[in-house]
Amino acid sequence: NAGVTQTPKFQVLKTGQSMTLQCAQDMNHEYMSWYRQDPGMGLRLIHYSVGAGITDQGEVPNGYNVSRSTTEDFPLRLLSAAPSQTSVYFCASSFSRQGPEFFGPGTRLTVL
Amino acid sequence: KNQVEQSPQSLIILEGKNCTLQCNYTVSPFSNLRWYKQDTGRGPVSLTIMTFSENTKSNGRYTATLDADTKQSSLHITASQLSDSASYICVVSGNFGNEKLTFGTGTRLTIIP
Repeated sequence: NAGVTQTPKFQVLKTGQSMTLQCAQDMNHEYMSWYRQDPGMGLRLIHYSVGAGITDQGEVPNGYNVSRSTTEDFPLRLLSAAPSQTSVYFCASSFSRQGPEFFGPGTRLTVL
Repeated sequence: KNQVEQSPQSLIILEGKNCTLQCNYTVSPFSNLRWYKQDTGRGPVSLTIMTFSENTKSNGRYTATLDADTKQSSLHITASQLSDSASYICVVSGNFGNEKLTFGTGTRLTIIP
């Protein structure tokens, strides 16, 4: 049981480039979410999904897209990277909205 | 505005000592309060979840308390170990269709030998 996995662990992009952060979980959780964590700030919700085919915006969705074609996978796409998107990104999953969230190891993204 | 405030921002204690971290929140209506431990360079890991009706919950050497009337929670760590060095994050969940999670900025705990 791998839990929540994220790839890549580190990434450097140039301004304007696009990329996809991968997230997968093997716990059959319906609820998945993406957060960013910046120094001195709490985790902030980017997008979340309550099941396959259903996604919704969180607190800071601008510049990011998501899709949920399967229960297991929840990729996060950066459309045109900006320096303000330099951050650590965490994917999380939970059995229900009120349950504990299981976090992945994170992706550290730097945009130059 | 829903807020979660944690204190202190950082804390340094000697190995073997006890400590208490504080969390005050303004989230309403309230569903549950969670404490997470985040080691440097890793994702947060859940320690406890407490609902409105629970006022204390333990997980090994970690004991969380909740006073829903005053909207305060604390995390008490007993007989600290070097591996307890981490950030501790308080998270509050709303209720009744507003199950948004509000995160605190965390307390950075350092245990020194």
